[in-house]
Amino acid sequence: SQTIHQWPATLVQPVGSPLSLECTVEGTSNPNLYWYRQAAGRGLQLLFYSVGIGQISSEVPQNLSASRPQDRQFILSSKKLLLSDSGFYLCAWSGGRFGTDTQYFGPGTRLTVL
Amino acid sequence: GQQVMQIPQYQHVQEGEDFTTYCNSSTTLSNIQWYKQRPGGHPVFLIQLVKSGEVKKQKRLTFQFGEAKKNSSLHITATQTTDVGTYFCAGSRRVSNRDDKIIFGKGTRLHILP
Repeated sequence: SQTIHQWPATLVQPVGSPLSLECTVEGTSNPNLYWYRQAAGRGLQLLFYSVGIGQISSEVPQNLSASRPQDRQFILSSKKLLLSDSGFYLCAWSGGRFGTDTQYFGPGTRLTVL
Repeated sequence: GQQVMQIPQYQHVQEGEDFTTYCNSSTTLSNIQWYKQRPGGHPVFLIQLVKSGEVKKQKRLTFQFGEAKKNSSLHITATQTTDVGTYFCAGSRRVSNRDDKIIFGKGTRLHILP
């Protein structure tokens, strides 16, 4: 069966510090991968998606970047965090046709920037 | 751009009462999905509707997809405390021969009064 992992589960970082969040998927190959951010009590904002290794699409301009160095690994990064980067970061994967199939979410990372 | 509007944003109901959340798109959707996010958790897939006018049931939950494939609803009969959480709809729209684009509604947060 397929599983999706995210780490760390929680993170407190000072403003201006770098960020690296990792997401890995097991039990499937060539998944579509997504990074979402959810502000407290709010909806899901799609940040990045990837349909294959090295292929990254950004939905909104921001202080963050994403990379997919391996088929089942998706990384979210920042060189210098801003206060507004705080939130709940969710990684998700789907199979089949991009944008159609069920999305399976990881447990998320709660990021607080102080 | 395409939007998926979800109403209401919040809903407080007495335990045992019914609950409905509505999702509306400005454009025709290829399918619609529903997710539930428990407090502190991550979104979990509930169901996908594909056909015009489709109705699906999961125990006390009834999902409908409109005839024009632009709107959808989730109805919960006789709510229980376990129904607490945020319910998201997510609509898929075909953007190319290869890809669809999925857009999440902002969610309806359901709170149950004992």
